[in-house]
Amino acid sequence: GAGVSQTPSNKVTEKGKYVELRCDPISGHTALYWYRQSLGQGPEFLIYFQGTGAADDSGLPNDRFFAVRPEGSVSTLKIQRTERGDSAVYLCASSLQPEGGVGTEAFFGQGTRLTVV
Amino acid sequence: GQQLNQSPQSMFIQEGEDVSMNCTSSSIFNTWLWYKQDPGEGPVLLIALYKAGELTSNGRLTAQFGITRKDSFLNISASIPSDVGIYFCAGPNYGGSQGNLIFGKGTKLSVKP
Repeated sequence: GAGVSQTPSNKVTEKGKYVELRCDPISGHTALYWYRQSLGQGPEFLIYFQGTGAADDSGLPNDRFFAVRPEGSVSTLKIQRTERGDSAVYLCASSLQPEGGVGTEAFFGQGTRLTVV
Repeated sequence: GQQLNQSPQSMFIQEGEDVSMNCTSSSIFNTWLWYKQDPGEGPVLLIALYKAGELTSNGRLTAQFGITRKDSFLNISASIPSDVGIYFCAGPNYGGSQGNLIFGKGTKLSVKP
């Protein structure tokens, strides 16, 4: 596809359940980012992948959150034992390898709206 | 920690009006980014600024990197209905990686009733 694709677009889950959110980056983009956006807030950084490895996971709120990118393309954000406070829009973005500085040419997907009931 | 404060939080525009908004920080940034987000969509990068004092335009949008490196401004000239949305400023999180951005809470543009 032409842009970053995130599935599902909406996910409702019960408290305590496990969820997986998928991100298909733009073809050829080596950098991939996950952000979380709560209502009325700006996006909040979670994790950044360069290729297959997590270059920066400092934004993951706790050990219930985990993300993988095994082949350097598709990424999955995994949330265990979901809590109501995890409800938010989870955004994925990708960019070409940045040459120093911030990966500014990052293209965001439409996000997955997660609701924990 | 670092915070970006955007002002105003919301504003109403009438078609044809010029719009101004700003973003301030207590700490120095070496890059300022401005994004627009429409409902149900991800943010879209509008303008990137890399040098203090830099003034950059993108169509009817103009953004400036403040000389103190602690603020940035975004202006929209002759607004049109499709300018409605939420505008975010962002910059690199101090000590973070290249992909680690901190965002403000946004300025919401709506059409005057």
